[in-house]
Amino acid sequence: DTAVSQTPKYLVTQMGNDKSIKCEQNLGHDTMYWYKQDSKKFLKIMFSYNNKELIINETVPNRFSPKSPDKAHLNLHINSLELGDSAVYFCASSQARAWSYEQYFGPGTRLTVT
Amino acid sequence: QKEVEQDPGPLSVPEGAIVSLNCTYSNSAFQYFMWYRQYSRKGPELLMYTYSSGNKEDGRFTAQVDKSSKYISLFIRDSQPSDSATYLCAMSAGAGSYQLTFGKGTKLSVIP
Repeated sequence: DTAVSQTPKYLVTQMGNDKSIKCEQNLGHDTMYWYKQDSKKFLKIMFSYNNKELIINETVPNRFSPKSPDKAHLNLHINSLELGDSAVYFCASSQARAWSYEQYFGPGTRLTVT
Repeated sequence: QKEVEQDPGPLSVPEGAIVSLNCTYSNSAFQYFMWYRQYSRKGPELLMYTYSSGNKEDGRFTAQVDKSSKYISLFIRDSQPSDSATYLCAMSAGAGSYQLTFGKGTKLSVIP
């Protein structure tokens, strides 16, 4: 009964390839996020969707494209992968309430670009 | 000045010690404060959550928020080797803001 799941867990690919990461949450939350965690462990928000609508779109290369087919799923597609894209990508979800802003994270996808 | 500052450590303590982890912030709009724990090669998990100033206790963990000083703390009593992890503070302005701003995390090792 995993709350936030991501696939794949590990992804090794070559520069220039296109890859996708999938995320699913079974918490009934209405908001989902993609974060990038670099080698120094810094968590940086990339995108967020609320009820399938894009609400946060940080300064991220347009090679990265999120897609939310429904409230429980948020996918991340990356075109023309570069060495600098190597990182751990975390999906998270939350339920937007006036008194609660905590987010729940998936296990991460470790992307290595060679 | 970064919005959230957190000493990255690493911090190494003997088992049973009291651990103090801290973050400072500059955005006075932050009202919601969280501590996440991240074990190696795992996703962050929510540990403590507080709103505005004050203390909150949960077992061996106590979170403190001092909004006047823009300073938050996490105390761990009777630390255990299983507490060894990276601890990240996170903050939100609330009021419809979905965004969390994270500190860089403090790596803690509790030595048996």
